[in-house]
Amino acid sequence: GDSVTQMEGPVTLSEEAFLTINCTYTATGYPSLFWYVQYPGEGLQLLLKATKADDKGSNKGFEATYRKETTSFHLEKGSVQVSDSAVYFCALMTQGGSEKLVFGKGTKLTVNP
Amino acid sequence: EAGVVQSPRYKIIEKKQPVAFWCNPISGHNTLYWYRQNLGQGPELLIRYENEEAVDDSQLPKDRFSAERLKGVDSTLKIQPAELGDSAVYLCASSLDTGARGEYGYTFGSGTRLTVV
Repeated sequence: GDSVTQMEGPVTLSEEAFLTINCTYTATGYPSLFWYVQYPGEGLQLLLKATKADDKGSNKGFEATYRKETTSFHLEKGSVQVSDSAVYFCALMTQGGSEKLVFGKGTKLTVNP
Repeated sequence: EAGVVQSPRYKIIEKKQPVAFWCNPISGHNTLYWYRQNLGQGPELLIRYENEEAVDDSQLPKDRFSAERLKGVDSTLKIQPAELGDSAVYLCASSLDTGARGEYGYTFGSGTRLTVV
């Protein structure tokens, strides 16, 4: 079935460091891809999305490019801030009548001052 | 505009007791989902509603879990009786109709953290 694999966490960085969180997927057809973020004590928030190959999603300085050839959707940010500390989830939306969001296990990011 | 509203935020119960969670989706969102998020894991779908109809409940443990969505708006998820392994965060989400979900994804509530002791 459809699945998402994220890099194992936790990830700890210093402020202004470069961030990459790897995400690869397995799916039939051409799913939409998402990154969600979960801040401590809060629900999931949509961070960015891409709906077709080579699309780049971006928001709040974060970017991810839908790479069909490598079935990947890696999350990047050039300079992280302490406020970016959260858990990040990669997800895909299956196509067809039973479409649903399928999530990876999440990657916890801690940014130190 | 209010987002997806869930209550309660936290619930602690003894095993074998019943528990219920409530969700009010975003106005105009016909599709409602219940997800369960175990500690350190990603959310997993329990049930999906299109208006009043449960169109995907294949992952719902039907021996102890039940859900309803009367009038196609609010929804309630119930566990009876609860087991220790049911401790998790229960998330409700809503979305626009088919065709728009791939563009906009879902909107999630803050969740209910259930602890079964």
